[in-house]
Amino acid sequence: EVQLVESGGGLVKPGGSLRLSCAASGFTFNNAWMTWVRQAPGKGLEWVGRIKSKTDGGTTDYATPVKGRFTISRDDSKNTLYLQMNSLKTEDTAVYYCTTGSELRFYYFYYMDVWGKGTTVTVSS
Amino acid sequence: QSALTQPRSVSGSPGQSVTISCTGTSSDVGGYNYVSWYQQHPGKAPKLMIYDVSKRPSGVPDRFSGSKSGNTASLTISGLQAEDEADYYCCSYAGNYAPFGGGTKLTVL
Repeated sequence: EVQLVESGGGLVKPGGSLRLSCAASGFTFNNAWMTWVRQAPGKGLEWVGRIKSKTDGGTTDYATPVKGRFTISRDDSKNTLYLQMNSLKTEDTAVYYCTTGSELRFYYFYYMDVWGKGTTVTVSS
Repeated sequence: QSALTQPRSVSGSPGQSVTISCTGTSSDVGGYNYVSWYQQHPGKAPKLMIYDVSKRPSGVPDRFSGSKSGNTASLTISGLQAEDEADYYCCSYAGNYAPFGGGTKLTVL
C-alpha cells in the first residue's frame, strides 16, 4: 500500500525552527519527486515547494513566501522527505501535507494523487 | 506567484449540475494544458479529481468533467450527489511552481 506519514509538527514561537518528516512506503521513493503543500486554518491549499529525484538532479523549488526560510531535503536510504523550517512566522501556522504523484508525468505537471494525512504546525508566542 | 481565482461558494440541488471556474493568467492556466482539480472533505487530505484539464484518474466518477478556455478552467459536476459536498481547488502548472485556487465550497442543497 502506498503511504505517506508526516510527523514533527508542534507549537513553536515566532522566529523559531522546526523540522518536519515524511516517511514513504509502498513505492520507489528514490524515483519520486516529492512536494509539500500547506493549509492554514480555515484557508485554502498552498503549494510550498518540491524536490526532484536525485536522478533528475535533486533540485528544489519553493513558493515565494517560504523561499530562503524553508529547505526541502530527502534521504533516499530512509525513504524520508524533510522540510526544515526556519525563521517561522505566525502566518506559517498550517497543516503541512507531504504529497507526490503515482506516475512519472504526474511529477512534471504537479499532479498530486498520493497524500499524507498532514501534520499541524502552530507558530505562536 | 499569485493564487488562481475561484468563486468562494456554489450550490446546487441533488441531480443538478454545477460549474466551478478557476481564473489565472497566461503564465499559468492560459499558458499550459496542465490544470488539475482537487476535492477536499472536512478534516481530510485533498483528492485528485481531474488532471490535464479534463482527464479523470481511475475511480473518479464520470460525473466530474473539466474544460478550459483561455485563462479560465472549469470543473463541472453533473448529477449532484450529497457526497459531492466538499471544497474544490484548482491548480495549474506554472513552470517552477504550482499555484492553487483559493477554493470553492460546494453545498448540495
